[in-house]
Amino acid sequence: AQSVTQLDSQVPVFEEAPVELRCNYSSSVSVYLFWYVQYPNQGLQLLLKYLSGSTLVKGINGFEAEFNKSQTSFHLRKPSVHISDTAEYFCAVSNTNAGKSTFGDGTTLTVKP
Amino acid sequence: GAVVSQHPSWVICKSGTSVKIECRSLDFQATTMFWYRQFPKQSLMLMATSNEGSKATYEQGVEKDKFLINHASLTLSTLTVTSAHPEDSSFYICSARGATGRSSQGYTFGSGTRLTVV
Repeated sequence: AQSVTQLDSQVPVFEEAPVELRCNYSSSVSVYLFWYVQYPNQGLQLLLKYLSGSTLVKGINGFEAEFNKSQTSFHLRKPSVHISDTAEYFCAVSNTNAGKSTFGDGTTLTVKP
Repeated sequence: GAVVSQHPSWVICKSGTSVKIECRSLDFQATTMFWYRQFPKQSLMLMATSNEGSKATYEQGVEKDKFLINHASLTLSTLTVTSAHPEDSSFYICSARGATGRSSQGYTFGSGTRLTVV
């Protein structure tokens, strides 16, 4: 079984400030890790993913995430946020074989001017 | 890149009627599609896994007779909410694995369907 915990349900930040959205996971097998973004009344869009190799992965819109196996974490970061980054962010883990993903409860990022 | 089209984007129906939601992969063949339900301010709840040419696999607690899934071709899966009731009102989202069909591709999501049952 696998699970995902997003440690912050809401993260308010000011424009141009850095942000970190935290994600921890648990799994008994190797997994793939993903971050998705959801804008209001829309589906989810893949931001970035970790499959193997370098633990620092870069995604779209200036986001990056670092895989930490010892801490079973996959935190999402952006050095300077924009108003347009306001959205819901979901961390997900996928069993490498089965492919079915488990999603965290989401983190609402609100960027204030 | 891989694109998934979901239709309709929103629908209002009367209690007791049925509603069909379509999910199409536009530029790749999706042997497996997934149907999710999302309540306001909540995460996605996987309802079922739709496999082309075979019966869908439903998650525990999901009524297969109420939520009918058909995956008739490699590019189309449909979800029919039968005899809808107000408690079925929700945001329904479909997804398909990336173009190669590998789980490492992540999911490509449709834009979702807002169902309101009155």
